[in-house]
Amino acid sequence: DTEVTQTPKHLVMGMTNKKSLKCEQHMGHRAMYWYKQKAKKPPELMFVYSYEKLSINESVPSRFSPECPNSSLLNLHLHALQPEDSALYLCASSQGGGGTAANEQFFGPGTRLTVL
Amino acid sequence: AQSVTQPDIHITVSEGASLELRCNYSYGATPYLFWYVQSPGQGLQLLLKYFSGDTLVQGIKGFEAEFKRSQSSFNLRKPSVHWSDAAEYFCAVGAKGGSEKLVFGKGTKLTVNP
Repeated sequence: DTEVTQTPKHLVMGMTNKKSLKCEQHMGHRAMYWYKQKAKKPPELMFVYSYEKLSINESVPSRFSPECPNSSLLNLHLHALQPEDSALYLCASSQGGGGTAANEQFFGPGTRLTVL
Repeated sequence: AQSVTQPDIHITVSEGASLELRCNYSYGATPYLFWYVQSPGQGLQLLLKYFSGDTLVQGIKGFEAEFKRSQSSFNLRKPSVHWSDAAEYFCAVGAKGGSEKLVFGKGTKLTVNP
């Protein structure tokens, strides 16, 4: 299984809502990533978990809260978002973790988030 | 810090024509270099990568890329484009000895005319 799955595919939420995005992989990868991608822009790294520990936080606002409950799952909890947070949120995973950019990142299809 | 430039925002080619997408990077040493492709509404898929050694790298779907240290470039090529190659292409760099972080170029959108 070389697939990264993300749920939901689409999400519409109000600025006062709390929601969560979910990502799952069963490739035995030990690094997992959250990216934000605005329309016609490249992906921007938000967080990296390596061996279930947060290793990179790219100064993301606290209204985004990542969680890695186990080596296969990655969540992104959303609270009090702003309309400018509307974007495609991509999850990725790579083998090994361990602080290297050498490993291929496998991406999920993303969650299209709209904040009203 | 590493950075990457893709000079062409949009390229249009005819089906069957050859393709070259440009990528230039800025980094103190040779970084890890990647090309990813993204179809509409999809995640990214790795086409190929370069770490060291042979400067001509073969990838999936008939793509290849050539690393040129003197030009700080890593251009992607395909001899004959298929309509299914229409997508967004991203060049990315990662620092050797650094973190897991990849820095992506702004992307080149490829349109293929029949």
